[in-house]
Amino acid sequence: KAGVTQTPRYLIKTRGQQVTLSCSPISGHRSVSWYQQTPGQGLQFLFEYFSETQRNKGNFPGRFSGRQFSNSRSEMNVSTLELGDSALYLCASSLGLDFSGNTIYFGEGSWLTVV
Amino acid sequence: DAKTTQPPSMDCAEGRAANLPCNHSTISGNEYVYWYRQIHSQGPQYIIHGLKNNETNEMASLIITEDRKSSTLILPHATLRDTAVYYCIVRALTPGGTSYGKLTFGQGTILTVHP
Repeated sequence: KAGVTQTPRYLIKTRGQQVTLSCSPISGHRSVSWYQQTPGQGLQFLFEYFSETQRNKGNFPGRFSGRQFSNSRSEMNVSTLELGDSALYLCASSLGLDFSGNTIYFGEGSWLTVV
Repeated sequence: DAKTTQPPSMDCAEGRAANLPCNHSTISGNEYVYWYRQIHSQGPQYIIHGLKNNETNEMASLIITEDRKSSTLILPHATLRDTAVYYCIVRALTPGGTSYGKLTFGQGTILTVHP
């Protein structure tokens, strides 16, 4: 079956603009998480959604937001882009609320460059 | 979250077993150990995870010590394509304690497989 699909794969934005990234989880998966990866900070957790509700949030400013739709697809938005937002944004999906250590699968990521 | 300690880098000859150690001395009884790898900043690839017992799948084996303070990921017959950054992660319950939360990535081990 298809894996976690992220679009777009690559994009370039200008400082001050906003960007929306999309994630389609594995079929049947209802939990979606987002991570940011930069050379300096490594992989950091942004937020997690389940059943259209944000369950957990990482330590990022309010410019970073997300949402989940009824079909479990998710989007994340970054407003007022800064140069430091240049990163690989990764989406991960799993079955749902995890009470027993589910497997979490990552997509290939969206490369964002802010100029 | 329990912290993990991994060697920054390791080498392995092609065809030999690669044994990647991870120390997680502060792990709690209900926290899982997950292993992922990442190649050339693609999305992290799930390898294996476990709680107390040793685990094996088509990719690798996970050996967890009886006191759970450390673990070893074993790639039985390393190939050049196994060259990657390997992350050992301890996954904890959310602050509310109702379900398992985010993956907290460290710096990982850069495994280089030589011909």
